[in-house]
Amino acid sequence: QVQLQESGPGLVKPSETLSLTCTVSAGSISAFHWSWVRQPPGKGLEWIGYIYDSGTTNYNPSLRSRVTISIDTSKNQFSLKLRSLTAADTALYYCARADSLGPDYETTGYSGGAFDIWGQGTMVTVSS
Amino acid sequence: DIQMTQSPSSLSASVGDRVTITCRASQFIGTYLNWYQQKPGRAPKLLIYGASTLQSGVPSRFSGSGSGTDFTLTISSLQPEDFATYYCQQSYSSPLTFGQGTKVEVK
Repeated sequence: QVQLQESGPGLVKPSETLSLTCTVSAGSISAFHWSWVRQPPGKGLEWIGYIYDSGTTNYNPSLRSRVTISIDTSKNQFSLKLRSLTAADTALYYCARADSLGPDYETTGYSGGAFDIWGQGTMVTVSS
Repeated sequence: DIQMTQSPSSLSASVGDRVTITCRASQFIGTYLNWYQQKPGRAPKLLIYGASTLQSGVPSRFSGSGSGTDFTLTISSLQPEDFATYYCQQSYSSPLTFGQGTKVEVK
């Protein structure tokens, strides 16, 4: 059973950079899309972006200028960097897997499917 | 961006009730519509993908329907463990977007 586990600091100062890592266990990181999704306290879900095992990335335009997602297939890990943090970035951050059975990327900008496996989430608070 | 609108935002129901949640997309998404259940303090759990396909291990009292822009999640007979928040999500185009959620509470 594939499992995902997020790791990273729980408290980050405003204007600094958040770095989170998701470790994939009991399965391969290949041939799937790997996403980050966040959820502010008491609010809904927001997709941040994904990376494919080839290194291809796709980011939410609302965060694109501040986000970088990278992958290390040798370690079965992928990572999130979010720069210039503000209090609005305080949220529970999840990593999630989607299969590759999606629409045509050329016409929709996305080729993955649903998020079938999620990490437990890690709470990040932005505060001085 | 494709906006996903769920209704209602919350509902009160009793064990054994039939519950229906709707989700509307702001533009065509085919059947690239997924439903998740989230309980407090837990990660979302995939219930239905492709608008109507039940994820492995999900009880058959959950069902989904629809295509194009209008979709429905139905719980045929609500069980105690079904009180939770439900989200729809489109996986048709980037950026991927979620509905605002529907909280199913005890009546």
